[in-house]
Amino acid sequence: AQSVTQPDIHITVSEGASLELRCNYSYGATPYLFWYVQSPGQGLQLLLKYFSGDTLVQGIKGFEAEFKRSQSSFNLRKPSVHWSDAAEYFCAVAPPRSGGYNKLIFGAGTRLAVHP
Amino acid sequence: GAGVSQSPRYKVAKRGQDVALRCDPISGHVSLFWYQQALGQGPEFLTYFQNEAQLDKSGLPSDRFFAERPEGSVSTLKIQRTQQEDSAVYLCAAGTSGGDGVTGELFFGEGSRLTVL
Repeated sequence: AQSVTQPDIHITVSEGASLELRCNYSYGATPYLFWYVQSPGQGLQLLLKYFSGDTLVQGIKGFEAEFKRSQSSFNLRKPSVHWSDAAEYFCAVAPPRSGGYNKLIFGAGTRLAVHP
Repeated sequence: GAGVSQSPRYKVAKRGQDVALRCDPISGHVSLFWYQQALGQGPEFLTYFQNEAQLDKSGLPSDRFFAERPEGSVSTLKIQRTQQEDSAVYLCAAGTSGGDGVTGELFFGEGSRLTVL
């Protein structure tokens, strides 16, 4: 069965420090890969997505993610964290298009706290 | 996000009550998904509509859950005889493509938080 693992439930970093959030997936073929952010009281917002091609993907708000097929990973990174980045981050996968739609399978999320 | 409105934002129900949660996407959102997000968990797929057709309801946890989108726009998720385990945030997501998240982005509403006492 397809699954997504985010090993870190909580992460705390200092403002200005670098950040890496881990994501591993289990799927027979390379799925489509996504990172979403959820701020309190707000809906999920797409940060970036990977379908094919260049394995380093740039997203919004200065985030990037790297797809590593050999490790079945899609880790999210940011070189310098801002206090406003404090939120919950979800990694998600979807099987390559079939039946005309994709349903997302989400990890359990990583809650990011940022110290001033 | 991008015009997906959900109501009510908060709902408290007594066990056994029926509830209805509404999702109002903007015009042109062909695809519509419902997800359930339990406390401390990621969202889990419930059901998918393409226009008015419910193409996938494999994620609905029991026959107490029912979703509809009769005119291909507003959708309602109904839960009958609510149980405590139904307590969660119910998220609606809509998009302009066939819902594949590849050719078009999915926009999520802020969710409806259901608490069953």
